[in-house]
Amino acid sequence: DQQVKQNSPSLSVQEGRISILNCDYTNSMFDYFLWYKKYPAEGPTFLISISSIKDKNEDGRFTVFLNKSAKHLSLHIVPSQPGDSAVYFCAAKALTGTASKLTFGTGTRLQVTL
Amino acid sequence: NAGVTQTPKFQVLKTGQSMTLQCAQDMNHEYMSWYRQDPGMGLRLIHYSVGAGITDQGEVPNGYNVSRSTTEDFPLRLLSAAPSQTSVYFCASSYQGGGNSPLHFGNGTRLTVT
Repeated sequence: DQQVKQNSPSLSVQEGRISILNCDYTNSMFDYFLWYKKYPAEGPTFLISISSIKDKNEDGRFTVFLNKSAKHLSLHIVPSQPGDSAVYFCAAKALTGTASKLTFGTGTRLQVTL
Repeated sequence: NAGVTQTPKFQVLKTGQSMTLQCAQDMNHEYMSWYRQDPGMGLRLIHYSVGAGITDQGEVPNGYNVSRSTTEDFPLRLLSAAPSQTSVYFCASSYQGGGNSPLHFGNGTRLTVT
């Protein structure tokens, strides 16, 4: 039972255009969401996060949108750059409790072309 | 900054052999965890620890043991390797398990069991 789903395994975008990566979740207990970026042969690195009390969080070229009623979040990258080519993982957790476990999606491979 | 260090980077085992994947962090993080990454499955939590002397099971704990004798180290033991354990293993740590502390990942150990 995949509680965090990334239905697009890959995405190709031209340099300078917008990249939109999507993520859906099923567990209503999740109230904190994160995006991680992963280059080959490296570990995932934290990119941006959003709490369920907000519907948008922005950090430079990266913006995450959260639609709680649809249990959907998206990551927008504007403008896309070749260095953004990587695998992006959506992750979610519940903030309550002493040890919250992060649940990851299956990832979307983004390729930014020249 | 070393961050999270995993050794070895690569390992090949025969079925039935045992080994320990090492993980060390120098950020004085209380929370540490092990994930495995498999194609089409995302990252799945194996075991985690909220502090020295405390460990708990994640989503896929069977076939793995952990211990946490110090804050810095969190080794993952495979007692009798099986081909199903062929995967990339990531160790991760954060300041605390709850709240909004993002996970910091090591660069992974690629394990092949023949």
